[in-house]
Amino acid sequence: QQKVQQSPESLIVPEGGMASLNCTSSDRNVDYFWWYRQHSGKSPKMLMSIFSNGEKEEGRFTVHLNKASLHTSLHIRDSQPSDSALYLCAARASSGSWQLIFGSGTQLTVMP
Amino acid sequence: ETAVFQTPNYHVTQVGNEVSFNCKQTLGHDTMYWYKQDSKKLLKIMFSYNNKQLIVNETVPRRFSPQSSDKAHLNLRIKSVEPEDSAVYLCASSLTGVDTQYFGPGTRLLVL
Repeated sequence: QQKVQQSPESLIVPEGGMASLNCTSSDRNVDYFWWYRQHSGKSPKMLMSIFSNGEKEEGRFTVHLNKASLHTSLHIRDSQPSDSALYLCAARASSGSWQLIFGSGTQLTVMP
Repeated sequence: ETAVFQTPNYHVTQVGNEVSFNCKQTLGHDTMYWYKQDSKKLLKIMFSYNNKQLIVNETVPRRFSPQSSDKAHLNLRIKSVEPEDSAVYLCASSLTGVDTQYFGPGTRLLVL
């Protein structure tokens, strides 16, 4: 059973559009989320992290977190073809081994 | 340049051979990790090391073993490779065990 679920599996948006990606943890001990972006053939690069309820914005990227439902979402406005990549959500448990659990990702394609 | 470096980029080998992958970080971090990314892009932690102490050891086959000479280096040895070991192996590091993880470029292993 995957503890971090991401949806959708794949997403196609037009250039300039809004992309919305979702991530939910089934582990109640999770206290911190990261969003990573992985371009094809490259390694994951951290985009944003969030641990407080609410919203965090950095440029075209906005992350929301609802700690009660352990749901986070990533929104990319004015999407560009260079945003086409695999987006990975990672959650960290607040106890135990502190390891990161990754979701299986959302493959985003931005069409010119 | 401060980053996480991995060698080799790519390795092809036969079933039953032994392989070693190297990882070095120049970020001054205390914790290093090895992940396996399968063909479905799922990232799974294999090992993590903090100041040469193994702090997480997932249920990986015994043919896999981490090797560390100091906190800046964490190598991965596979004693007798099997076809299911074909994957991308990603090394990462973080300042401490609870901070953002930074990934190296990965080593792609193909077992024939």
